[in-house]
Amino acid sequence: QKEVEQNSGPLSVPEGAIASLNCTYSDRGSQSFFWYRQYSGKSPELIMSIYSNGDKEDGRFTAQLNKASQYVSLLIRDSQPSDSATYLCAVIGSSGSARQLTFGSGTQLTVLP
Amino acid sequence: AAGVIQSPRHLIKEKRETATLKCYPIPRHDTVYWYQQGPGQDPQFLISFYEKMQSDKGSIPDRFSAQQFSDYHSELNMSSLELGDSALYFCASSQSRQGANEQYFGPGTRLTVT
Repeated sequence: QKEVEQNSGPLSVPEGAIASLNCTYSDRGSQSFFWYRQYSGKSPELIMSIYSNGDKEDGRFTAQLNKASQYVSLLIRDSQPSDSATYLCAVIGSSGSARQLTFGSGTQLTVLP
Repeated sequence: AAGVIQSPRHLIKEKRETATLKCYPIPRHDTVYWYQQGPGQDPQFLISFYEKMQSDKGSIPDRFSAQQFSDYHSELNMSSLELGDSALYFCASSQSRQGANEQYFGPGTRLTVT
C-alpha cells in the first residue's frame, strides 16, 4: 500500500463544473500537505498547501484537510480546459527531521470544453 | 519572481557513462531536494541538503552522489549510467529556516540513457 493514495482517474468534468480530487495518507503524524499540478513533461507546480484541519481557499481552489480521517481533498471551481493536468497530492511525513515530499500517483483531470 | 534553475534541460548519455546535473535554488532558500520521476510514475525523493549539509537520503542508488556548494547550488553526479536511469530529474528548493515547507520545483533535466 502506498503511503499516499489518490484516485488515479482519469477524471473528466465539463467546463465550468467543480472538479473534486481526493487523497488519503497513512502516516498519522503527517503535518504538511500539498497539491501540485503537473502538465505532461513539465515540472510539478505548487498550487495549494494546507497544515490545519478545515478548508483553505485560494481563488478557484479549495483544499480540505481532515487529519482524523487522514484525508485531503482539492476542489477546483469553475473548471477551465487549462486546468487539464495531473494533480499530485504530496505529504511531508513525521519521521525525524525529514522534509521530503511523498507523492501519490496523481489524478489525471480533463476539463471538456 | 526568481525560480529554481536546472541545467542542462536535456541530456543524452550512453550506458556506463557519467552525468552531472546542476541546480540553482531560489535566492535565500536554504534547502535543496532532488527527485526522480520515471515515465508514468510519481516523483521519488533522492536526497536533500540543508545549509550545505546532507539532511535526508531517499532511494538514491550508490552510483549517485550529490553535494551543495557554498553558493547553495547543488549538483547530482550519476555514474555507471543504466538504461533504467532514464527519467526526469527535478530539483526543488524551500526556505526551511522560516518554517515554510513549501517546495518549488525547477523545470527538470530529462536524462536519456541509450
